[in-house]
Amino acid sequence: RKEVEQDPGPFNVPEGATVAFNCTYSNSASQSFFWYRQDCRKEPKLLMSVYSSGNEDGRFTAQLNRASQYISLLIRDSKLSDSATYLCVVNNGNNRLAFGKGNQVVVIP
Amino acid sequence: NAGVTQTPKFQVLKTGQSMTLQCAQDMNHNSMYWYRQDPGMGLRLIYYSASEGTTDKGEVPNGYNVSRLNKREFSLRLESAAPSQTSVYFCASSEWSGPTNEKLFFGSGTQLSVL
Repeated sequence: RKEVEQDPGPFNVPEGATVAFNCTYSNSASQSFFWYRQDCRKEPKLLMSVYSSGNEDGRFTAQLNRASQYISLLIRDSKLSDSATYLCVVNNGNNRLAFGKGNQVVVIP
Repeated sequence: NAGVTQTPKFQVLKTGQSMTLQCAQDMNHNSMYWYRQDPGMGLRLIYYSASEGTTDKGEVPNGYNVSRLNKREFSLRLESAAPSQTSVYFCASSEWSGPTNEKLFFGSGTQLSVL
């Protein structure tokens, strides 16, 4: 089983709609979790951390489910500018970060 | 404030040629990293440097060497390029020591093709 798994998509979502996707991780000892955003041919940038209690940043909500070993990202009221690939990043407990392949989101006008 | 600057942005090499990718950060970060990103795969760590004067292997170090020249600069060298090293390379830095710090700041990337 891969350390971090994401469905690459693409996730086609109409402008103004809500889109959500998950990331599963294999190491139950993983300590911390993050979402990074990567635009086409650009570098990844930190979007938000994922806390145990869940957290929200504007239209973005991240949640962690330790029992089932997944994290999720929900985007409400999608904007065209939200089109990007969202990378799941997990501290896997072996002193190393693990990156998922990313969920590609395409917001359609 | 430039953040993380890496050069060159594009490079084409022939098999067996050598080159060095340069990276510099102006955020006074202790830790610096080199990743590669291949289609259909997540970013993979090549080498990292937790602090000035130290370097450690990451997940895919074979075929690469690094130098932490000073606190600002961390270079990646390919001694004898191979087609399997065709990839996009990202340099990154972070405030804390070690590769477990997740708040990474990335450079804009180097597209490397090895023919």
